[in-house]
Amino acid sequence: KAGVTQTPRYLIKTRGQQVTLSCSPISGHRSVSWYQQTPGQGLQFLFEYFSETQRNKGNFPGRFSGRQFSNSRSEMNVSTLELGDSALYLCASSLGTGYNEQFFGPGTRLTVL
Amino acid sequence: QKEVEQNSGPLSVPEGAIASLNCTYSDRGSQSFFWYRQYSGKSPELIMFIYSNGDKEDGRFTAQLNKASQYVSLLIRDSQPSDSATYLCALLRGSGGADGLTFGKGTHLIIQP
Repeated sequence: KAGVTQTPRYLIKTRGQQVTLSCSPISGHRSVSWYQQTPGQGLQFLFEYFSETQRNKGNFPGRFSGRQFSNSRSEMNVSTLELGDSALYLCASSLGTGYNEQFFGPGTRLTVL
Repeated sequence: QKEVEQNSGPLSVPEGAIASLNCTYSDRGSQSFFWYRQYSGKSPELIMFIYSNGDKEDGRFTAQLNKASQYVSLLIRDSQPSDSATYLCALLRGSGGADGLTFGKGTHLIIQP
């Protein structure tokens, strides 16, 4: 069974640009959560999608948005990039809405110059 | 007070000994608690979750929860060099999961051969 996949794995952008990251969950999983990981702040929850609906949202500005498609694949968008957005962005999938079976993808390393 | 606090370490434990990792939290309404392991350069993987006060054992791992004292711990018996990693404590706060998982910044564990 294939795991969670994320594309691209690495990305370099400049301030002010926007970026879209993609996450394909494990087959059959309907919930996708997104996290930002930085050395200073650690792992922080961005949002969770289930059946194409955003269920939960973390404390991030509106520049961070996401969506989920009918096949459960999810995209995350960050507009007007800032230097502080440089981070590892992880997505995790689970079968349902609980967190006790959450599997993380390898992440997308975003560098903002 | 931080929502989830962990000693950053490094915590150095000799091979074969018991490694004890601790986590304290501030939200008394927190419901569910999770331990993740993250190897350097890799994504987190779920080790265990615990909901009720007391101990929960899974192989060499034991999670302990004390809601009255607001702490959760992870014991690793017969520590192996392959257990060397950063261990992340996470929880669902009293908001019923609306804020997603809240993570501590992790404890870096080193098992010395």
